[in-house]
Amino acid sequence: DTEVTQTPKHLVMGMTNKKSLKCEQHMGHRAMYWYKQKAKKPPELMFVYSYEKLSINESVPSRFSPECPNSSLLNLHLHALQPEDSALYLCASSPSLAGGRSEQFFGPGTRLTVL
Amino acid sequence: LAKTTQPISMDSYEGQEVNITCSHNNIATNDYITWYQQFPSQGPRFIIQGYKTKVTNEVASLFIPADRKSSTLSLPRVSLSDTAVYYCLVGDQFSGGYQKVTFGIGTKLQVIP
Repeated sequence: DTEVTQTPKHLVMGMTNKKSLKCEQHMGHRAMYWYKQKAKKPPELMFVYSYEKLSINESVPSRFSPECPNSSLLNLHLHALQPEDSALYLCASSPSLAGGRSEQFFGPGTRLTVL
Repeated sequence: LAKTTQPISMDSYEGQEVNITCSHNNIATNDYITWYQQFPSQGPRFIIQGYKTKVTNEVASLFIPADRKSSTLSLPRVSLSDTAVYYCLVGDQFSGGYQKVTFGIGTKLQVIP
């Protein structure tokens, strides 16, 4: 299985809602990532997990809360989001935290709309 | 801080070879160069990675000159399905023991029938 899966595919939420995005991989990868991508812009790194521990938080607002329950799962909990948080949220994994040397495998993304 | 510069867009006719050049003047000695492809509303997909000289796989070639300040992704005989955004990445600064990689602006390739 060489796939990263993300659920849901689409999500519409109000600014007072609490929702979660889920990501799963069964490739035995030990590094997992969350990216945010606005329309016509490149992906922007949000969080990096290595061996289920948070390695990097790119100064993301606290209304985004990542969680890594085990080596195969990565969640992104959303609360009190703003309309400007509407974007494609991408999850990725890589065999290791080798930075520029490590190929990242991306999921299809969750298209989030905040009303 | 290694920053990449690529053309914003390119057009090519079907069947032609396409070369996309990326500049990375501040690339560090141990940095690799990686290219990803992204279709609309999909996650990026790894294409190729190299350190120096030439690398070839089943979908593309990557040419890296000796000074490594630039690289060229070569797509042979493109088809309409190659219409996508192509990102060139090199290593960025270290943070938390991890060398970040930052996506540049990307090159939007439009293949014309």
